Formats: sequence, structure tokens, C-alpha cells
Amino acid sequence: DSGVTQTPKHLITATGQRVTLRCSPRSGDLSVYWYQQSLDQGLQFLIQYYNGEERAKGNILERFSAQQFPDLHSELNLSSLELGDSALYFCASSVEGLNTQYFGPGTRLTVL
Amino acid sequence: GQNIDQPTEMTATEGAIVQINCTYQTSGFNGLFWYQQHAGEAPTFLSYNVLDGLEEKGRFSSFLSRSKGYSYLLLKELQMKDSASYLCAVGDTGFQKLVFGTGTRLLVSP
Repeated sequence: DSGVTQTPKHLITATGQRVTLRCSPRSGDLSVYWYQQSLDQGLQFLIQYYNGEERAKGNILERFSAQQFPDLHSELNLSSLELGDSALYFCASSVEGLNTQYFGPGTRLTVL
Repeated sequence: GQNIDQPTEMTATEGAIVQINCTYQTSGFNGLFWYQQHAGEAPTFLSYNVLDGLEEKGRFSSFLSRSKGYSYLLLKELQMKDSASYLCAVGDTGFQKLVFGTGTRLLVSP
């Protein structure tokens, strides 16, 4: 158990819909990262937040957005969903000054 | 740009030793990381190298050569539970981002 929690574990929805994925980092970690992993694909970095501020952006679509709240939990919002958005979405957290990231169990999103 | 290469798949026998190689070309470097990922599960941290040389941690060891842009993960006394994907990642400078390779799927057979 990494100490990072994600909800929900599974999510099934239809094309065109909007969903919100939630992540709580390890106690004391200020950085939160979001990744997408499609079937048999590597981890694609989406976005990073540090203490409530966006810090780095990867290959995140305009239909996707994220935020980090004052209690440091983060949410990833995916809208106008397409079949190709079906994937595992992982959240990770890290301590300031260190790159080592600890991953949550992921949310498996299925778009039908 | 960022480019990380590792073999797609490897097979080995229980009890054997396997070496998984990773080469990288990145614009920034702040350490080389190895993660293990079982299918459908979260990546778990295995090792971190920031200086050249070998880091040993039980059955797993990781080596880094910064001048060659090269790392390897060595797994000894393989067990069936070691069947998983092994992800090589480079730490980016500045904002602690990790850039991942596509992973090496290791299959351990009896």
C-alpha cells in the first residue's frame, strides 16, 4: 500500500459524458501527478500540481482538466468522453525535492 | 526531446538471473528510476540511481552509466511472482517530472 488513494476503482460511462476522478496523496506529499495508461501502452504523463498550483503539463487533452484543493487532494475531470479515453488513470504523489513517485491503485475508465 | 528505450518483452526461467536494459536520451536528468507493474495494478517503486554505479537491494540491483545514457535492472533468483512489466523512468530537472519508457514485459516460466 503506497498511501495514495484513488476513487472510484472502476467507472463505466457512455461517450459524450463527463466524469471526475479523485486522488488523495500520501500524508505530507505536496505534489500530485496524473497519468494515463491505455491498453499495452506506457504511462503517459498528463499534469502535475504542487501545493495547489499547476506545475507541469504533459499530453493532456483540452477536454481534460485537473485541480488540487487546499487539503491537497486532486481531481481529474474528463469531459466529452470518447471511446479512446478508455484507460487506466493513475495518480502519484511525491515529496518536495525528490523525484520518487508513489502511485495510487488507479481508476479503470471504460467508455462505451 | 525525451527518448527512453527498453526491450518490449523478455522471458526467463525460475531461479535464473535476468538483466533488463534501458537507454535514454533526455534533455534533463535527475536520476534513473525502475518501477515494477503487475498487469492492471499500480507501478511500485524498485530503485533509484543518480550517481554512476551499482545499487543493490536484495534480489534486485540497478546500474547507471550517465555518460552512456544507460541503465540496467538485474533480477536474481527469479520467482514466478516476478512476472510483470518493468518500467524505466528518467527524472526531469526542475519540476520532478518522470518520463517513462514503454516498459519491458518479463515472463518467468517454471
